[in-house]
Amino acid sequence: QMQLVQSGSELKKPGASVKVSCKASGYTFTAYPINWVRQAPGQGLEWMGWINTDTGSPTYAQGFTRHFVFSLDTSVSTSYLEISSLKPEDSATYYCAVTPGRQFGASALNPWGQGTLITVSS
Amino acid sequence: QSVLTQPPSASGTPGQRVTLSCSGSSSNIGRDYVYWYQQLPGAAPKLLIYKSDQRSSGVPDRFSASKSGTSASLAISDVWSEDEADYYCAAWDASLSRLVFGGGTRLTVL
Repeated sequence: QMQLVQSGSELKKPGASVKVSCKASGYTFTAYPINWVRQAPGQGLEWMGWINTDTGSPTYAQGFTRHFVFSLDTSVSTSYLEISSLKPEDSATYYCAVTPGRQFGASALNPWGQGTLITVSS
Repeated sequence: QSVLTQPPSASGTPGQRVTLSCSGSSSNIGRDYVYWYQQLPGAAPKLLIYKSDQRSSGVPDRFSASKSGTSASLAISDVWSEDEADYYCAAWDASLSRLVFGGGTRLTVL
């Protein structure tokens, strides 16, 4: 079945960069887009955008256009989220999630990765 | 402040029917499908409902959902303790050109 496995938690200092990986299995990686969602501690879900896994073209939501970059390595069925110039307010759990085809609606997110906790602290 | 409005908390006793609400506008719920996600404590969100009223694979039929105008609701009949979780609604917002979530409702089973 479709599955996404993310890289482990990271502790970073302000100003550093981090790259989160999201490895897909159980389906043709280039068939469905991957979304990224942020959840700050104790807060709700915030959609960051998505990447077309066929073309590699990313789309960023407003507020995530500056130091967030989505990328792919189709040879290993993996999407990446890179965050540069980290600030303490970037501390959050970051999730990847697949939009599994139009039969579920253009905005369905299923499944989700297990999440990657990024902590930014000096 | 979230674009979709959900009450922050709800509660019920085992066996009771609980209904969670989600209010939006003509640029989101009023024009597109609604999705519902369940997030158990310490876990990733899971898709419960897609296309406003369709249950995702493996979701018990105790869960049902509907949409009317710019509002949507998720009903859980015969609520169990294992249903204690945060529930989020989501929809595409055409004005903002992004997927928007409600702030989430924390369901407590007393």
